[in-house]
Amino acid sequence: DSGVTQTPKHLITATGQRVTLRCSPRSGDLSVYWYQQSLDQGLQFLIQYYNGEERAKGNILERFSAQQFPDLHSELNLSSLELGDSALYFCASSAQGAGGSVDSNEQFFGPGTRLTVL
Amino acid sequence: GENVEQHPSTLSVQEGDSAVIKCTYSDSASNYFPWYKQELGKGPQLIIDIRSNVGEKKDQRIAVTLNKTAKHFSLHITETQPEDSAVYFCAATYKERGSTLGRLYFGRGTQLTVWP
Repeated sequence: DSGVTQTPKHLITATGQRVTLRCSPRSGDLSVYWYQQSLDQGLQFLIQYYNGEERAKGNILERFSAQQFPDLHSELNLSSLELGDSALYFCASSAQGAGGSVDSNEQFFGPGTRLTVL
Repeated sequence: GENVEQHPSTLSVQEGDSAVIKCTYSDSASNYFPWYKQELGKGPQLIIDIRSNVGEKKDQRIAVTLNKTAKHFSLHITETQPEDSAVYFCAATYKERGSTLGRLYFGRGTQLTVWP
């Protein structure tokens, strides 16, 4: 168990809908990363938040957005869903912050949310 | 950006044999190289990592080697067991001292099957 929690575990929805994925990082970790895993693209970085602020963006679509709240949990919002958005979505937290050195590199992944768009 | 290539995509070995997975990276500035194991239905689990100031690192049956000149790094698993069967991912990133940035660039994964 990595200490990172994600809900829900599974999500089935229809095209055009909007969903919210939730992530709670390990205690003390200030950094949260979101990754998408699909068969054709592999593991792709979407976005990173550090202590409530957006720090980096990767291959994230404009239909997707994220935020990190004062309690450090993060949410990934996916809207106007398309069939191609079906994938596993992982968040990872890093020991950068109050509990560890800002130079910590290790990222610990949650169990993921499997999104199916029908 | 960084490009990480991983080979082979599938690997089958007999229990007790060794397994080697290789990755290359394109950005010579990359300085942190983790390996993850992903079992079916689970998230990637960090199993070992290496920084660019080190050539080799071992942890029981697993080891990682890094060749900065050639820009490649490898995962070695000795005395393989059926429970080692999983998908293994290599990754790379550049982590500047004092920076909070550190996105990972992943290889496409290797499906390792260990036959009893």
